[in-house]
Order: sequence, then C-alpha cells, then structure tokens
Amino acid sequence: DVQMTQSPSSVSASVGDRLTISCRASQAISSSLAWYQQKPGQAPKLLIYTVSTLQSGVPSRFSGSGSGTDFTLTISGLQPEDFGTYYCQQAKNFPWTFGQGTKVDIK
Amino acid sequence: QVQLAESGGGVVQPGRSLRLSCAASGFTFSDYGMSWVRQAPGTGLEWVAVISHDGTVKHYADSVKGRFTISRDNSKNTLSLDMNSLRPEDSTTYYCAKERDARASTSFDSWGQGTLVTVSS
Repeated sequence: DVQMTQSPSSVSASVGDRLTISCRASQAISSSLAWYQQKPGQAPKLLIYTVSTLQSGVPSRFSGSGSGTDFTLTISGLQPEDFGTYYCQQAKNFPWTFGQGTKVDIK
Repeated sequence: QVQLAESGGGVVQPGRSLRLSCAASGFTFSDYGMSWVRQAPGTGLEWVAVISHDGTVKHYADSVKGRFTISRDNSKNTLSLDMNSLRPEDSTTYYCAKERDARASTSFDSWGQGTLVTVSS
C-alpha cells in the first residue's frame, strides 16, 4: 500500500500567514494527488486535484505543488475560515490512501 | 446541484450485517465512479471501496475485502454498500463520494453528509 505521511500533524498560525503542509508518499504517485479541507461536523471538501489544479470555487490563496513522492499545499494569506483539518490523498494505486491529516488552528 | 444522501446506518451486533445506501441527484450518475469513505470519530479518512461508472470494476480496502460489497443501480441513481461480518472496528461514519472526473479517478468532488454505523453488543 502507498503510505501518505503529512507534516506537521498540527499547526497554529495567524491570519495573514503563509502556511505550508507537506505530504510524502511511500512510492511515486505521478500526479494523482488531491487535497481536502474538513471542518468539524462536516464532510471533506476538495481543494486541489492532480497536484496543483484548483477546484472550482476554491480561493486562489490555496495552491499545490510537487511531484513524484513529495507534495505541498500552500495557503498564502491565511484567513479565519481556513481552520480545519487538511488531508492529502493518492489515487494512483489501490488501495487509495489518505494522509493522517494536519489540523490547522488560527491564533 | 450535486446531492448525495446516505442512509442505512445504525447500531448492529458484531457479526451481523447492514446495508448502506446513497441516493444521488444533480448529475448524470451513470457517468461517474463512486466510492465509500469512512471516518472514525476524531480520526482520519479511510477509503473503503470504489465502483466504476458502469459497475463492472470494483476495488476494496484490505480491511473490508471479502466482507463488504459495493454495488450501484444506475436506473435508480443509487449506490449501496453491503456490510457483512461486522466488527467493532467498523464503527465509523460512512460517506459516499463522487469522483470528480467522469471515467477517470483523480479525486472526490462531492460528499454526502455521512451515516453512522455502530457495531456493539
């Protein structure tokens, strides 16, 4: 199975900060990498797919990058509504797998 | 607009069975692969199973293989998950999720609200 490891596990940041979340795959997954945001009591929301493509309606302060095994989600100019848990997910090989999540708190 | 509504969750004894359903609307259901994803309270997401747009291809997580069966009825826009030999560790919220791209697997762009399954004696 492809293991997805996110770092950090949690982070507290201030409004306006630039935040980066890393996701490392245990093997190469080409461009089959997506990012989701989940808020308490809600279903996950797709932010980015195929590494760097912004889902419709998602603010442009979210961006994704990376290749092979190392990927990054960047939030440029953190907003109060960006709190929540962020997950990466690979859809290259079965079983599809998610990272363990990165919890983002707003200071 | 896309809507996914799960149902069928509840409390069940270990070793028993349960069937989850997901009613889909707002898109051409037969064009898209569909998955079940689960999440235990306070924990991360676990993909459970996927079925292709036409129902011919299915894949499962190792943790449910041989016990769970995913199926779909494109005439009724309904996705199902038959869960047998349930274990306490299957106690989670189950989401149905729609693949973003027709005939291709990249990500899930729509999710239901989830249905809670509790396996307990």
